[in-house]
Amino acid sequence: IAGITQAPTSQILAAGRRMTLRCTQDMRHNAMYWYRQDLGLGLRLIHYSNTAGTTGKGEVPDGYSVSRANTDDFPLTLASAVPSQTSVYFCASREGSGTYQETQYFGPGTRLLVL
Amino acid sequence: GQNIDQPTEMTATEGAIVQINCTYQTSGFNGLFWYQQHAGEAPTFLSYNVLDGLEEKGRFSSFLSRSKGYSYLLLKELQMKDSASYLCAVQDSNYQLIWGAGTKLIIKP
Repeated sequence: IAGITQAPTSQILAAGRRMTLRCTQDMRHNAMYWYRQDLGLGLRLIHYSNTAGTTGKGEVPDGYSVSRANTDDFPLTLASAVPSQTSVYFCASREGSGTYQETQYFGPGTRLLVL
Repeated sequence: GQNIDQPTEMTATEGAIVQINCTYQTSGFNGLFWYQQHAGEAPTFLSYNVLDGLEEKGRFSSFLSRSKGYSYLLLKELQMKDSASYLCAVQDSNYQLIWGAGTKLIIKP
């Protein structure tokens, strides 16, 4: 089934631990994004990648890192988790063919609780 | 700065019509998106406007006025399944989306 998968679905993590959230898409989209969503706030961009091999920082990148070794995968790593990183994390992708009327498609999300 | 404003919550009756407003102030503009997000789920695309005017898609319509920095989403013949959050997002010149906090729509029988 075409789309975006994320893993894990949910996770409870001790503060200070390292964690990688996985994201894989099979639509051959060029652009991929990581957002966090917190109650009362809009989706906030953490990092993005316009094409394989490139990444960029979004609005809230501190404490997070990403890599884009190939088109399909875009993992997000929390080097040393802190309670303020408790959130729902969404991965999204867009075709990235150069037109503005391109929809971002979202994965199902990862619910992360840092204690 | 960048700012997108939407009402936090709205309530409407099944079968009625509701209009969800979105105002924006952004440094760049390349279109405005509306997404629907049911509780515990991912956002899904509803509409895209880049030119002024109304775009109609079945029971849902979206309007844009670029000069006023204003958009609305109109939902007709409301159904219980329309209970969800509705997210307004402006696309900047780098294809990135700037998101409003979303409007939670509650539908009552």
